Amino acid sequence: DAGVIQSPRHEVTEMGQEVTLRCKPISGHDYLFWYRQTMMRGLELLIYFNNNVPIDDSGMPEDRFSAKMPNASFSTLKIQPSEPRDSAVYFCASIGGSGMNTEAFFGQGTRLTVV
Amino acid sequence: ILNVEQSPQSLHVQEGDSTNFTCSFPSSNFYALHWYRWETAKSPEALFVMTLNGDEKKKGRISATLNTKEGYSYLYIKGSQPEDSATYLCAPNTGNQFYFGTGTSLTVIP
Repeated sequence: DAGVIQSPRHEVTEMGQEVTLRCKPISGHDYLFWYRQTMMRGLELLIYFNNNVPIDDSGMPEDRFSAKMPNASFSTLKIQPSEPRDSAVYFCASIGGSGMNTEAFFGQGTRLTVV
Repeated sequence: ILNVEQSPQSLHVQEGDSTNFTCSFPSSNFYALHWYRWETAKSPEALFVMTLNGDEKKKGRISATLNTKEGYSYLYIKGSQPEDSATYLCAPNTGNQFYFGTGTSLTVIP
C-alpha cells in the first residue's frame, strides 16, 4: 500500500477563495482523522470519521470548515471562504485493524497558505 | 477535548546522554496511549501503542512505560544520538477521542 495520500502537497490561495484538501486513507482502514498543525497550538484534531461517518467534529474551528467522507477511500476538507489565519499544515491520518489501539498512519500533509 | 500535558516542552542534550519525558492525561475512560516521533518536514510516525497499566515497550534505545491509574506515561531514550532529534508526541485516547499533546522537542547536540 502506498500509505495515506494527501493532495495537494502545497496550496497557495487568496483570501476568500474556496480550498479543498483531499485524503486517501490506507485501504481497509476504518478510521480517518483530519489534523491541523500550527506553531501556536501544535497538532489539533479537527474531525474524525469511523466507517465514513463523522464521529467527532468538535475541533472544527468554524462553519467555514467542512469535511466529508463519501466512501471508504476518499475524504475532503473544505474551507470556504478561506482566511489568512487558516494557513497551516493539514494532516490526514488513518487507523485500521482493531481500531484506536493500533497505530495511526499519517499522510505527508498539505501546506496551506492563504494570502 | 482531552487535557494532555507533555513535559518538558523542549530539551537539549549532549550526544550519549540518556533522557526522558512525560505525558500526563486524564486516567478516567482510558483506552490506549500512542507515542509518535515527528521529524521536521515529515509526518508523525508511530513508536508505541500501549493499553495495559504497567505496560513497558521498547524499540532499540527508546522505551516507554504506562501508568493508567495515575494517568502518565514516560518515554526514555538511552544514549541519545543526533538522529533522535525530533518532536515526541503522545496521544491518549478513550476509544472515541484521540488527541495529541503539544509534544516534547528534543535536540541532541553532537
